[in-house]
Amino acid sequence: DQQVKQNSPSLSVQEGRISILNCDYTNSMFDYFLWYKKYPAEGPTFLISISSIKDKNEDGRFTVFLNKSAKHLSLHIVPSQPGDSAVYFCAASPLNTGTASKLTFGTGTRLQVTL
Amino acid sequence: KAGVTQTPRYLIKTRGQQVTLSCSPISGHRSVSWYQQTPGQGLQFLFEYFSETQRNKGNFPGRFSGRQFSNSRSEMNVSTLELGDSALYLCASSLAILAGETQYFGPGTRLLVL
Repeated sequence: DQQVKQNSPSLSVQEGRISILNCDYTNSMFDYFLWYKKYPAEGPTFLISISSIKDKNEDGRFTVFLNKSAKHLSLHIVPSQPGDSAVYFCAASPLNTGTASKLTFGTGTRLQVTL
Repeated sequence: KAGVTQTPRYLIKTRGQQVTLSCSPISGHRSVSWYQQTPGQGLQFLFEYFSETQRNKGNFPGRFSGRQFSNSRSEMNVSTLELGDSALYLCASSLAILAGETQYFGPGTRLLVL
């Protein structure tokens, strides 16, 4: 049972345009959501997070939107750069201290930013 | 500040053998989590150790075990290896003082079982 779903395995975007990566979840106990970026042969790198009390969080070119009623979040990258080409994982966890370290990941979306 | 380190980076084993992977967390981090990444399943949570105790566990068979030492370093052991255990094993650490703290990942150990 995939509790966190990234339905697009890949996405191709032109440099300078907006990249939108989507993620859906089914577990209503999830309170905290994160996006990680992963390059080949490296571990995932934390990008941005959002807790369920917010519907938007922004950090430079990266913005995460959360729609709790739809159980949907998205990551916007504006403008997209070639260095953003990587696999992006959406992850979620409940917010109570005892289980916050147990992240449930989506299967990832491979973003390719073309020149 | 040094990041999360994992050793070895690559490992080749044969079916039936056992393997031990090591993870050194970021200095001061008390929580270490282990994940398995495979092409079909993505990243799946194995277990988490906090202050030398297993605090959370994923849905993996008992062949997968771990431990954490007093200096927060952690080891993961897989016994009686199967071909399907071939994967990238990732370790992540966090302070785990407050809920929702970010986990920081190491580069992973790539295990190939022949």
